[in-house]
Amino acid sequence: GAVVSQHPSWVICKSGTSVKIECRSLDFQATTMFWYRQFPKQSLMLMATSNEGSKATYEQGVEKDKFLINHASLTLSTLTVTSAHPEDSSFYICSARVSSGGQAYNEQFFGPGTRLTVL
Amino acid sequence: SQQGEEDPQALSIQEGENATMNCSYKTSINNLQWYRQNSGRGLVHLILIRSNEREKHSGRLRVTLDTSKKSSSLLITASRAADTASYFCGDRGSTLGRLYFGRGTQLTVWP
Repeated sequence: GAVVSQHPSWVICKSGTSVKIECRSLDFQATTMFWYRQFPKQSLMLMATSNEGSKATYEQGVEKDKFLINHASLTLSTLTVTSAHPEDSSFYICSARVSSGGQAYNEQFFGPGTRLTVL
Repeated sequence: SQQGEEDPQALSIQEGENATMNCSYKTSINNLQWYRQNSGRGLVHLILIRSNEREKHSGRLRVTLDTSKKSSSLLITASRAADTASYFCGDRGSTLGRLYFGRGTQLTVWP
């Protein structure tokens, strides 16, 4: 149980295009999901908190018009990197927080990550 | 912002040896969580220790927490080559459960 998937696993795109990354909680509901980015051999940096049915909360320094987040259902959040540039190349990881009752309530589970390369 | 910082940055040991990693954080926490990450993969939750706990065990893992020093340690006993990964601690602030991570400790276990 408590599986989070991401799609795609990796994507290569041209500079200037937009890329959408999906994060799904497969067997639980998540009113809150989180988006991170990670550069090679670096830490995970929290980008934003995605809230189901409302606007995302962005961390300081993260451009909300650049990284569009939509959390339209209790099992899906999407991150769209708009007008991607080579400096946006990174490993993007989402996590989902269990919002229903049970032993794992309030715990976070991470997706496998999406490798984005912008040429 | 809150951020766990792991120490050492890299650790290389032989199979069977114990590995100890430390984590320090800046402000008060509700709980502290340890994760592992294999290269190019997502994070796997290992263990959570709450702010009112001092020690916790899970299999070959032992975590301690010292809130007075704002530090935690993760001990992996009888290490195996499959334990090779990066290990991160994440401290969870009270607001919305955001997790903030340090740079991680890269553990290499040689067979």
